[in-house]
Amino acid sequence: GNSVTQMEGPVTLSEEAFLTINCTYTATGYPSLFWYVQYPGEGLQLLLKATKADDKGSNKGFEATYRKETTSFHLEKGSVQVSDSAVYFCALRSGSARQLTFGSGTQLTVLP
Amino acid sequence: DGGITQSPKYLFRKEGQNVTLSCEQNLNHDAMYWYRQDPGQGLRLIYYSQIVNDFQKGDIAEGYSVSREKKESFPLTVTSAQKNPTAFYLCASSINEFSNQPQHFGDGTRLSIL
Repeated sequence: GNSVTQMEGPVTLSEEAFLTINCTYTATGYPSLFWYVQYPGEGLQLLLKATKADDKGSNKGFEATYRKETTSFHLEKGSVQVSDSAVYFCALRSGSARQLTFGSGTQLTVLP
Repeated sequence: DGGITQSPKYLFRKEGQNVTLSCEQNLNHDAMYWYRQDPGQGLRLIYYSQIVNDFQKGDIAEGYSVSREKKESFPLTVTSAQKNPTAFYLCASSINEFSNQPQHFGDGTRLSIL
């Protein structure tokens, strides 16, 4: 079956630090990969996506590259801001599967 | 603006009571989903619907029921059979069932037991 493993949090960084949140996956077929962000008390917002190997998704300074050889989709940002504090979820959707399979989420706190 | 509206934002249930969570979308999406989120965990699928008048059980459907009478609406009923209903419930939709399409989420309903 499908599964997603994210690095455990919480992650605490100072403003302008470099961010990496690791995500690896197991899936049948060729999944599409997503990063979602959840701010306190809110639903999930799509941050970026990649639908095939070597695709790079990017949005708001965040990037992630679909690495089929390492089954990974790590999230990166060169310089984080306090406003980036949130929970980040890696997810995949594969073939005939109707739902997204989510990782457990990584809490990020950015200090001024 | 197009989007997904969930209501109410907060809901309280008494013992033995059924409660219904509303989800409406104006994105003209065919597919709709209900997820449950528990603290510190990822999301788990309760029910999904690919088309009007059709829906399928997800991983944790016991104690829940849904209907899909209109394309725009996918209400979730938490029945008294659901013994641990306290959670954050998220509704989502996507254009269609194909795997490269993202799901778009509402702002959620937080359900608590009185």
